[in-house]
Amino acid sequence: DTGVSQDPRHKITKRGQNVTFRCDPISEHNRLYWYRQTLGQGPEFLTYFQNEAQLEKSRLLSDRFSAERPKGSFSTLEIQRTEQGDSAMYLCASSPQRLAGQTYEQYFGPGTRLTVT
Amino acid sequence: GQQLNQSPQSMFIQEGEDVSMNCTSSSIFNTWLWYKQDPGEGPVLLIALYKAGELTSNGRLTAQFGITRKDSFLNISASIPSDVGIYFCAGQNRIQGAQKLVFGQGTRLTINP
Repeated sequence: DTGVSQDPRHKITKRGQNVTFRCDPISEHNRLYWYRQTLGQGPEFLTYFQNEAQLEKSRLLSDRFSAERPKGSFSTLEIQRTEQGDSAMYLCASSPQRLAGQTYEQYFGPGTRLTVT
Repeated sequence: GQQLNQSPQSMFIQEGEDVSMNCTSSSIFNTWLWYKQDPGEGPVLLIALYKAGELTSNGRLTAQFGITRKDSFLNISASIPSDVGIYFCAGQNRIQGAQKLVFGQGTRLTINP
């Protein structure tokens, strides 16, 4: 399977604990995105990497959230001191960089469902 | 901020019927994408549109990029049970350098056999 993969698929944690999610993009895709989706809503953008550089962050990404992509391949998203409001599906997507800096389609992984109790 | 409004929010149809849904924005986008999401899974890309007025098909699916660049629609012809799911439109404005996708709230499609 050469699609975007995410691990774990499900995570249940207690309020106040730290969690970390991993995303492996489609190989040779140099752009990687994180989104959050709550029940009944469309995904909301969190942050975006081009290679290892984090180029854009949403205001949704509070200081408890940190994302990395150290070698420009896989990425991790960490949430510190989780709150019940962090319960959501965390989606990762990747896209190739085309000519003239134009971006094209973003392909999503299966997501990590986080439940904070 | 930018918001996309999808309508209808839900649809209940008979198998074999055609489906039409649309998406409108308060601001301009230069890329429109349509995704389908099944429960517990990530969105799957159906169609991508890059030019105002563009009409693109993918099997029984047809989507159009509105000429004002503020809307798009998706049609599904001769619906089948596997079309059940939530359909999302997403816009992107690369002119402003933003790579993020802005999503609508989704249209939930239910098919009665």
